[in-house]
Amino acid sequence: GNSVTQMEGPVTLSEEAFLTINCTYTATGYPSLFWYVQYPGEGLQLLLKATKADDKGSNKGFEATYRKETTSFHLEKGSVQVSDSAVYFCALSEVLTGGGNKLTFGTGTQLKVEL
Amino acid sequence: ETGVTQSPTHLIKTRGQQVTLRCSSQSGHNTVSWYQQALGQGPQFIFQYYREEENGRGNFPPRFSGLQFPNYSSELNVNALELDDSALYLCASSSARTSGRYEQYFGPGTRLTVT
Repeated sequence: GNSVTQMEGPVTLSEEAFLTINCTYTATGYPSLFWYVQYPGEGLQLLLKATKADDKGSNKGFEATYRKETTSFHLEKGSVQVSDSAVYFCALSEVLTGGGNKLTFGTGTQLKVEL
Repeated sequence: ETGVTQSPTHLIKTRGQQVTLRCSSQSGHNTVSWYQQALGQGPQFIFQYYREEENGRGNFPPRFSGLQFPNYSSELNVNALELDDSALYLCASSSARTSGRYEQYFGPGTRLTVT
């Protein structure tokens, strides 16, 4: 079945450092790919998405490029802030037999940004 | 635009009891999905509802059941609660029953503790 693998955390960075969180996937076909962020005690917020190969999703300074050849969707940010501290989930969308879609998530990567 | 809301926020139940969790979808969305997120893990798909019918189901036993109402709100029912059912239950809504390209928007979740 489809699956998503993320780098394990926690990832601890100093403010203004460069961030990369690795994500690779296994899937049949060409799923849409997503990054979601979860702040402590909250639900998931959609951060960015890409729907086809070579698409780049971006939002709030975060970027990720859909790489079909390496089946990857790594999350990057040039300069992190303390407010970026959260858990980040990579996910892929797959079609259900009855139509519609479900999301398959990785295990999440906790990011801690320190002053 | 109203986002996805869930109730209650927290719930404590005893093993063997039954529980009902509720979700109101984002305005304009007609599809609701439910996910279970165990501590330190990514969300796992339970099932999805569209037009008041179950549209797809993950690897969860039949004691997990659901409903969708004409106003697109939804309930998740869990019978014969087990200790392992302790988790954050997330509801997500989306706007179409199509090819899997549509992102899902999550509510804040209901934290269920089974003792």
